[in-house]
Amino acid sequence: GAGVSQTPSNKVTEKGKYVELRCDPISGHTALYWYRQSLGQGPEFLIYFQGTGAADDSGLPNDRFFAVRPEGSVSTLKIQRTERGDSAVYLCASRPGGDTGELFFGEGSRLTVL
Amino acid sequence: AQSVSQHNHHVILSEAASLELGCNYSYGGTVNLFWYVQYPGQHLQLLLKYFSGDPLVKGIKGFEAEFIKSKFSFNLRKPSVQWSDTAEYFCAVRALYNFNKFYFGSGTKLNVKP
Repeated sequence: GAGVSQTPSNKVTEKGKYVELRCDPISGHTALYWYRQSLGQGPEFLIYFQGTGAADDSGLPNDRFFAVRPEGSVSTLKIQRTERGDSAVYLCASRPGGDTGELFFGEGSRLTVL
Repeated sequence: AQSVSQHNHHVILSEAASLELGCNYSYGGTVNLFWYVQYPGQHLQLLLKYFSGDPLVKGIKGFEAEFIKSKFSFNLRKPSVQWSDTAEYFCAVRALYNFNKFYFGSGTKLNVKP
């Protein structure tokens, strides 16, 4: 399909473990976003990439969270020393270079930290 | 930072009833406004958006929203809902001074009874 692809769709891990979540945006989309959605809440901004660089990482909650987009396409969100409070759905969205304002979301990666 | 408030967390309607979902935002400058919808088991998708011009915006599936600047509101409406409108609805805003950053409300779950 031509949509935003996120893997894994579900991840269960133990407290203290390291986790990587992957996002494959729509081909040609230059902007890529990571959001976190906790139960009963709306998407909360984490980080935004324009090309390969993180243009705004002000939403990352602490230094356990890190994201990369080395070739300006696929992005990986990395969470170190996971905590139970990290349990949430992590959403990726992409946006084309010509701004229509529309974000194209993936179906999310549900992370559960036991 | 902007914030978005959706005061209705859960709405239950019968088919053919009229719908109005509230959305208020906090930023006083120029904004773009959006409504996204998430059908059960699907990803978030754009329903409609307001950039400028006519404050009454029409979107897909018979939805419309009205931007009232003086009230900082962007309420979503539909004259007659269908069972297939059962979904979660999210309001979002971005300020033009920082148009790459989108802020979302906490969402309203709509259940339409057949």
